[in-house]
Amino acid sequence: AQSVTQPDIHITVSEGASLELRCNYSYGATPYLFWYVQSPGQGLQLLLKYFSGDTLVQGIKGFEAEFKRSQSSFNLRKPSVHWSDAAEYFCAVGALAGNQFYFGTGTSLTVIP
Amino acid sequence: DTGVSQNPRHKITKRGQNVTFRCDPISEHNRLYWYRQTLGQGPEFLTYFQNEAQLEKSRLLSDRFSAERPKGSFSTLEIQRTEQGDSAMYLCASSPRETNEQFFGPGTRLTVL
Repeated sequence: AQSVTQPDIHITVSEGASLELRCNYSYGATPYLFWYVQSPGQGLQLLLKYFSGDTLVQGIKGFEAEFKRSQSSFNLRKPSVHWSDAAEYFCAVGALAGNQFYFGTGTSLTVIP
Repeated sequence: DTGVSQNPRHKITKRGQNVTFRCDPISEHNRLYWYRQTLGQGPEFLTYFQNEAQLEKSRLLSDRFSAERPKGSFSTLEIQRTEQGDSAMYLCASSPRETNEQFFGPGTRLTVL
């Protein structure tokens, strides 16, 4: 069965601290992995994606993620969090062409000054 | 690039009424997706179009739901005889022919009273 697990429902970090959001997936084919961010009442914005090649991918807003096939994980990281990063973060897995994405339940990030 | 647009942004309706939402994808994208997102959850796949052909439907898409993409451009999602359980954010996404990178619209928030 295809699924994505984000074990942390809510994370609070101080501004300037580092951040890691966890994502584990189960997918029957070669996974294509994505991280999206959603601000309240808004749609989803793509942060980064992994299709193949280098397992460490860079995205927008200073985010990066590392694909670890052996652990079925695709964790999102940022070395120094800004107050504007407070939002909901979703990990998703899909196929290369067509078809649907499977999303995790999201991790809500609070940034304290 | 004007992005994916959705109308209306908000819809409040009474139980039993019909509602229709519209999605305008990015112009050169041939794939279009509908998702539903309830509070505290990630988006759940509803249906997918490639050009004008509806290629996949989730079991979440009951008989009261119908989606069309008549000319392979914009799409509509209609819900007949709305129920309170239909209250959710309805998200539309589109992707280009070459990849499965999905670009999301801002969503339509439906409230059924």
